Amino acid sequence: SQQGEEDPQALSIQEGENATMNCSYKTSINNLQWYRQNSGRGLVHLILIRSNEREKHSGRLRVTLDTSKKSSSLLITASRAADTASYFCATAKNSGGSNYKLTFGKGTLLTVNP
Amino acid sequence: EPEVTQTPSHQVTQMGQEVILRCVPISNHLYFYWYRQILGQKVEFLVSFYNNEISEKSEIFDDQFSVERPDGSNFTLKIRSTKLEDSAMYFCASRRQNEQFFGPGTRLTVL
Repeated sequence: SQQGEEDPQALSIQEGENATMNCSYKTSINNLQWYRQNSGRGLVHLILIRSNEREKHSGRLRVTLDTSKKSSSLLITASRAADTASYFCATAKNSGGSNYKLTFGKGTLLTVNP
Repeated sequence: EPEVTQTPSHQVTQMGQEVILRCVPISNHLYFYWYRQILGQKVEFLVSFYNNEISEKSEIFDDQFSVERPDGSNFTLKIRSTKLEDSAMYFCASRRQNEQFFGPGTRLTVL
């Protein structure tokens, strides 16, 4: 089964607007993490939300998690041109022992126009 | 702030050649990972490593792949005989608790 599917695939907004990206998953998880990737670059960890949490904030980021619907959203408020990047959700499930692999979605390409 | 580093940033190799991708995880982290991202596709899990042994590997991680932590700092991914389809960005990650921290990646191009 596919895990961590984001929508929309692409989002274009004006600077100052809010951007909302959604992620759905299929299996149970321990936590869900959001990452940003600038074109051709590495993955930057943004925020982690545990399966027993419903909402979390970090600066201009707000993440929600609904485990009953197996979905999460990432809200970026007051967007800036520098927020232009791909955003990925990744689900973590401890499959036993020390393993805690991440399963990534395809990502949302966010473009913030100045 | 400590970070995961990877070398080289870009590696070009001929099909059939061996490559070694190097990573230096964050020093007090205990769990190490390799992922890859083929251009335009999802980031995919390859292998996890803990206590000097593989704890899980994906079906991508066949016998052409191996990982090693030869000393207290480096963590390497070796591909014995590269194929065209191995061309991708390879990311190393490490964690101590829940968050995985990723390196900047090595872009591998197999010609």
